[in-house]
Order: sequence, then C-alpha cells, then structure tokens
Amino acid sequence: GENVEQHPSTLSVQEGDSAVIKCTYSDSASNYFPWYKQELGKRPQLIIDIRSNVGEKKDQRIAVTLNKTAKHFSLHITETQPEDSAVYFCAASNYAGKSTFGDGTTLTVKP
Amino acid sequence: GAVVSQHPSRVICKSGTSVKIECRSLDFQATTMFWYRQFPKQSLMLMATSNEGSKATYEQGVEKDKFLINHASLTLSTLTVTSAHPEDSSFYICSARDPGPGGGTGELFFGEGSRLTVL
Repeated sequence: GENVEQHPSTLSVQEGDSAVIKCTYSDSASNYFPWYKQELGKRPQLIIDIRSNVGEKKDQRIAVTLNKTAKHFSLHITETQPEDSAVYFCAASNYAGKSTFGDGTTLTVKP
Repeated sequence: GAVVSQHPSRVICKSGTSVKIECRSLDFQATTMFWYRQFPKQSLMLMATSNEGSKATYEQGVEKDKFLINHASLTLSTLTVTSAHPEDSSFYICSARDPGPGGGTGELFFGEGSRLTVL
C-alpha cells in the first residue's frame, strides 16, 4: 500500500518568514496530493492540492511543488502569520479518492 | 462547493453500548465514502472504504465486526461502533469524493467529524 512520510513533525518560524513542509510517497499510482490544515478539534480543511500532471501550483501565499519522479511534494507558505499556526497534513490519493496521510506538522508562527 | 455532513458531532456513551455515526453527501452522489479515525495528536488513519450497495473494505487491523459500515444509498454511509470501550474514544471523520464533471477530480470533502467518548 501507500506510505507517506512527512517532515518536520514540528516547525516554528517567526512571523513574516517562510515555512516549508515536505512529504514523500511510495505508490506511483497516487495521482492527487492535497494539503490540509487542521485546527484543534476541527475537521481538516483543504488549503491547496496538486495533481500528478502538474509540477507546481500557487495560491496567494501558499504554493505546492511536486516531483513525480522522486515521489516527493512540498508545501511552501510565505509571509507567515500567527493565524497560520495549526497542524498541516499532506496526503497522497489515488483515483478513487482513497488517501494516505502523513503524520502531520505542527506549525507555530511566533508574532 | 460540495458538502459532506456528519452527525453527531459529539457523543458520549457508556462502555458496552453501540453508537451510530452518519455521513451524508449533500449535493453530490458518492458511491464511495471513507472513514478515518484520529487519536489525539496523531494523523488520520483510514479505517475502511464504504461502497454503495456492497460490503465495505476494511484496512488491516480494523475489526469489521466492531465497526459496522452501511452504505445503503448514494448519499449516506453510517459507521456503527458496537460494544464501545474507552479505547474506542477518538475523533471519527468521514470523507467522500466529488466525482465532478467527467469524474476523477479526486478532491475529497470531509465531514465535520464526530468526537466519541466512551466512559
């Protein structure tokens, strides 16, 4: 089955700095890679996603890159703000929607 | 956008009782839904894939007789935790894929989650 590894497990940055979270996956059949932000006690919220036929996608301060050959993808958050503090999960999904999640990264943005 | 509704959001029950959690797709038909479990400070772990009109597919280590899944319609899947014990206390989340035009968009929508506490 699919195996997703996510690093780092915790990340602390100063407000205004950039944050980068990296994930690797094992199953070449995975074709959809969403990133979720989860606040305590709430459901994961999709913040950005990328499909296997695209190498990079950007949405304002958030960007995701995908290296299909190396089977890794990364989340980049620029100009971080305290409200970006949360747990972020990457996932690798197949066509049917079955997803395997990384272990999560706790991001803390210090004012 | 597509919405997945989950109910109840919180439930407290006594050990040995059964609890049912519902997951509904509100504006799309979902032939497949997914049930995840999340323990505190851990990731989401897939428990089972719910298939409309057929048996659910369970992940390794998940007891199918304990976690009963029914997907009787294209918009509703239910998860019943039978004979619940304190170790079953967790955050249960369902998701469904909106097929979109032409199918295969892959985007998943999550329910609000159900926090189960077994006393």
